[in-house]
Amino acid sequence: GENVEQHPSTLSVQEGDSAVIKCTYSDSASNYFPWYKQELGKRPQLIIDIRSNVGEKKDQRIAVTLNKTAKHFSLHITETQPEDSAVYFCAASSTGNQFYFGTGTSLTVIP
Amino acid sequence: DAGVTQSPTHLIKTRGQHVTLRCSPISGHKSVSWYQQVLGQGPQFIFQYYEKEERGRGNFPDRFSARQFPNYSSELNVNALLLGDSALYLCASSWGQGAFTEAFFGQGTRLTVV
Repeated sequence: GENVEQHPSTLSVQEGDSAVIKCTYSDSASNYFPWYKQELGKRPQLIIDIRSNVGEKKDQRIAVTLNKTAKHFSLHITETQPEDSAVYFCAASSTGNQFYFGTGTSLTVIP
Repeated sequence: DAGVTQSPTHLIKTRGQHVTLRCSPISGHKSVSWYQQVLGQGPQFIFQYYEKEERGRGNFPDRFSARQFPNYSSELNVNALLLGDSALYLCASSWGQGAFTEAFFGQGTRLTVV
């Protein structure tokens, strides 16, 4: 089955700096890669996703890149704000609504 | 439009007991999947149902079972509970089965086994 690895497990940045989270996947059949943000005690919420036929996608301060050859994808958050503090999960899927998640990155933005 | 709803929110059970968790998908969504999230880890895929049929199963023992009803709601059943089954159980719904399908999560059921 699919195996998704995520690094780093914890990340602290100063407000206004950039944060980068990296994931690798093992199954070449995976073709959809969402990122979820989970605040303490709340449900995971989709923040951005990328399809296998796209190399990069941007939504305001958030961007995701995908390298299919290397089987890795990354989340980039620019101009970080304290409200960006949360746990972020990457995921991979080859079949609708079946996701394999990374272990999570706890991001802390220091004001 | 209501989001994905799960019940109950919290549950405490004793080892060896059975538990049933429920999920109502977003209106119009036909697929439901279940995940187990142990504290400090990412969600682990348990089951996926689409149009009332099981379409995928993760690496979980046979003590875990699920079903989907004609109205697309779903139940997750766990028999012979173990302490290690303590976790947040998440349900996610999506409109279909195809590739690039966005999934939306419920708030989860926090199961504690004592």
